[in-house]
Amino acid sequence: EIVMTQSPATLSVSPGERATLSCRASQSVSSNLAWYQQKRGQAPRLLFYGASTRATGIPARFSGSGSGTEFTLTISSLQSEDFALYYCQHYHNWPLTFGGGTKVEIK
Amino acid sequence: EVQLLESGGDLVQPGGSLRLSCAASGFTFSSYAMNWVRQAPGKGLQWVSTISSSGAATYFADSVKGRFTISRDNSKNTLFLQMNSLRAEDTAVYYCVKSPSASQYFDYWGQGTLVTVSS
Repeated sequence: EIVMTQSPATLSVSPGERATLSCRASQSVSSNLAWYQQKRGQAPRLLFYGASTRATGIPARFSGSGSGTEFTLTISSLQSEDFALYYCQHYHNWPLTFGGGTKVEIK
Repeated sequence: EVQLLESGGDLVQPGGSLRLSCAASGFTFSSYAMNWVRQAPGKGLQWVSTISSSGAATYFADSVKGRFTISRDNSKNTLFLQMNSLRAEDTAVYYCVKSPSASQYFDYWGQGTLVTVSS
């Protein structure tokens, strides 16, 4: 099983600042990596697939990068609606696994 | 518009059974793999099971293998999860989730249904 590790667990950022979230895989997943955003009380929403392809309707301030075992989600200028939980997920093989999540909170 | 509506969540005793359903609309259901993903209270996301578009192939997390069965009725645009021998650690919100063609990430999610396993 591929273990996905996200860091940090909590990220405190002021509105308008840049946020950088990391996701590491225990072995290479190539570019088979997705990112999701989850707000309190809501279902997750797809942000990126293929490590860097933005899903429909996702603002350009969000960007994804990386391949192999190291991935990054960057939010260039945090808006109030971006404070949420973020999860990465690999889909390289079975079983599919998620990272433990990063909570982006208001500083 | 893609819509996924789960039902069937309930309070059940340990060792009991439950069947979840997911009614899909807004897309050609029979063309896409479908999944169940769960989230225990205050915890992260956990993939549970996947079924191919035709239903011929199924996949399960080790934690539910042998206890859960996934199935679909493409004539009724409905996905199912039969859960047997339920344990306290199965307590979670269960999401019905669609995958895009040929990839196993999750592009559309339902709102979830709560399963509570407790005596």
